[in-house]
Amino acid sequence: AQKVTQAQTEISVVEKEDVTLDCVYETRDTTYYLFWYKQPPSGELVFLIRRNSFDEQNEISGRYSWNFQKSTSSFNFTITASQVVDSAVYFCALRGSNFGNEKLTFGTGTRLTIIP
Amino acid sequence: NAGVMQNPRHLVRRRGQEARLRCSPMKGHSHVYWYRQLPEEGLKFMVYLQKENIIDESGMPKERFSAEFPKEGPSILRIQQVVRGDSAAYFCASSPQGEWHGYTFGSGTRLTVV
Repeated sequence: AQKVTQAQTEISVVEKEDVTLDCVYETRDTTYYLFWYKQPPSGELVFLIRRNSFDEQNEISGRYSWNFQKSTSSFNFTITASQVVDSAVYFCALRGSNFGNEKLTFGTGTRLTIIP
Repeated sequence: NAGVMQNPRHLVRRRGQEARLRCSPMKGHSHVYWYRQLPEEGLKFMVYLQKENIIDESGMPKERFSAEFPKEGPSILRIQQVVRGDSAAYFCASSPQGEWHGYTFGSGTRLTVV
């Protein structure tokens, strides 16, 4: 069975601070995919990143960066110099690669509030 | 190239009525997935369909819920005799046949049962 744990239910930081959202996963698949999605107050799901399990290179996109550590089964997300528009619920998700395992398993989300 | 289209965006039903949620996948996508997000919770997988086939319905409640993806037309998630506990956001995602690069999610349908 697959599982994604986002232990931080809610985080509040003051604007311009850096913030890291934690994600720990469990899977028996040797190949899998990890995702982060953003859900702003308007409710839609915004895709942020997909990472293959065989690619452990960390990634940076503007103020966003992701740290994939296969050894600790973690895929953490850092926002640098946070802004009010970053306020949202962030979900980490996992998908296996085997046939019949195409569904995404989501964590319970972290609600991030950026205080102006 | 339109994204995944879900309608209606908001749906209000009285207890005991039927709810029909529609999802039109992206052009060229033949796989559709439905997820449910209960208030203050993460998304939970419900069902995975290809054209005219249900591939995985392990997340579907045993009663009152059904899904289809006909050869022509949108995928439909149908909830019969709705109850208050069905109030949630229902998201549809689609992906293409072949090598998998990820989902595209629709904007969701927010069902409120009164």
